[in-house]
Amino acid sequence: EVQLVESGGGLVQPGRSLRLSCAASGFAFNDYAIHWVRQAPGKGLEWVSGISWNSATTGYADSVKGRFTISRDNAKNSLYLEMNSLRAEDTASYYCARSRHYYFYMDVWGKGTTVTVSS
Amino acid sequence: EIVLTQSPGTLSLSPGERATLSCRASQSVSNNYLAWYQQKPGQAPRLLMYGASSRATGIPDRFSGSGSGTDFTLTINRLEPEDFAVYYCQQYGSSPITFGQGTRLESK
Repeated sequence: EVQLVESGGGLVQPGRSLRLSCAASGFAFNDYAIHWVRQAPGKGLEWVSGISWNSATTGYADSVKGRFTISRDNAKNSLYLEMNSLRAEDTASYYCARSRHYYFYMDVWGKGTTVTVSS
Repeated sequence: EIVLTQSPGTLSLSPGERATLSCRASQSVSNNYLAWYQQKPGQAPRLLMYGASSRATGIPDRFSGSGSGTDFTLTINRLEPEDFAVYYCQQYGSSPITFGQGTRLESK
């Protein structure tokens, strides 16, 4: 079964850091770009970051640029999002989603992990 | 950045009716790289359409997409109870990837 499973979410204080992970199974992870998409409570979807299959291309939304870093380990079929200097407005469910190419639709999504930034 | 504006914000219809959802882009979407996603409460988004008019695997043919350039439409014929959800359009042709704000399709 093709699957993406996010982990690492939780409650964190403003200004602190958190690392999210996304574990892939059931498909050739190193053939796909992967993205992070978040959804604040009761709000819409926001693309956060993406990375190509070989990590040659990465991108970030302006709202997280300079604070978040995306990376992947193809040997471990895993994607990561290092989040620093967290703010209250980063509170959201974070989904990882795969796409066949970096600029492509996202055909498989994980169930998400929740990040709450609060003192 | 391409801004996607979806309308209406909320659409109230009955099962069996047709739903027409609109997505307008602030500039032309490259290669018509426009996708539609469905999201139900507590669930992850699900891909419905890509390339503006191609159905994703397993999506029933009552769902159809059309449009090009800056104006796109998702049509759902003969609404089923499971179709009531929030729908998002997304452009994936240029950076940054952007989503519309969503249309809530509710049962009347």
